[in-house]
Amino acid sequence: KAGVTQTPRYLIKTRGQQVTLSCSPISGHRSVSWYQQTPGQGLQFLFEYFSETQRNKGNFPGRFSGRQFSNSRSEMNVSTLELGDSALYLCASSNYREGYTFGSGTRLTVV
Amino acid sequence: QKEVEQNSGPLSVPEGAIASLNCTYSDRGSQSFFWYRQYSGKSPELIMSIYSNGDKEDGRFTAQLNKASQYVSLLIRDSQPSDSATYLCAVNHGDDKIIFGKGTRLHILP
Repeated sequence: KAGVTQTPRYLIKTRGQQVTLSCSPISGHRSVSWYQQTPGQGLQFLFEYFSETQRNKGNFPGRFSGRQFSNSRSEMNVSTLELGDSALYLCASSNYREGYTFGSGTRLTVV
Repeated sequence: QKEVEQNSGPLSVPEGAIASLNCTYSDRGSQSFFWYRQYSGKSPELIMSIYSNGDKEDGRFTAQLNKASQYVSLLIRDSQPSDSATYLCAVNHGDDKIIFGKGTRLHILP
């Protein structure tokens, strides 16, 4: 059974650019959540999608957005990148109230 | 603001001893509770889930939940050096949004 797949694994961007990260959940999982992890703040919830609908949203600015496709694959986009957006971005999929299974993450560095 | 609190550690435990990790949460409506293990440079891995008051055992791991005290803990028996990692407590508040604590760093001393 394939796990959660995130692409790309590493990314270096310049301030002001935008970035799109991709996540393919475990087959059959309809819920996809995104988290930002930094050393100081730990895992911060970004948003959760279920059946192409955003069900929950964390306390992040509007520069952070996401979407989910009919095959449950999800993307998140960050526009107008800031240095503080450098972090590990983790995607997790779930099959209703089970614990999440995380992907390997995308390490974003903004310079 | 729903919160999950953990002692950041590091918690140092001799090899073979019991490691005890604790977590408190703020929302009484919380329904599901999870413990994740995260090695440095890796993504979190689910090791235990618990949904009702009491103890749940899985191998060397025991999760304990006390909803009245809003407290959940993880015990690791016969601690091994490979248990050295950061342990994240996570709580599902019933709206399918899982909130994580900042984690406790555990160091098993050989």
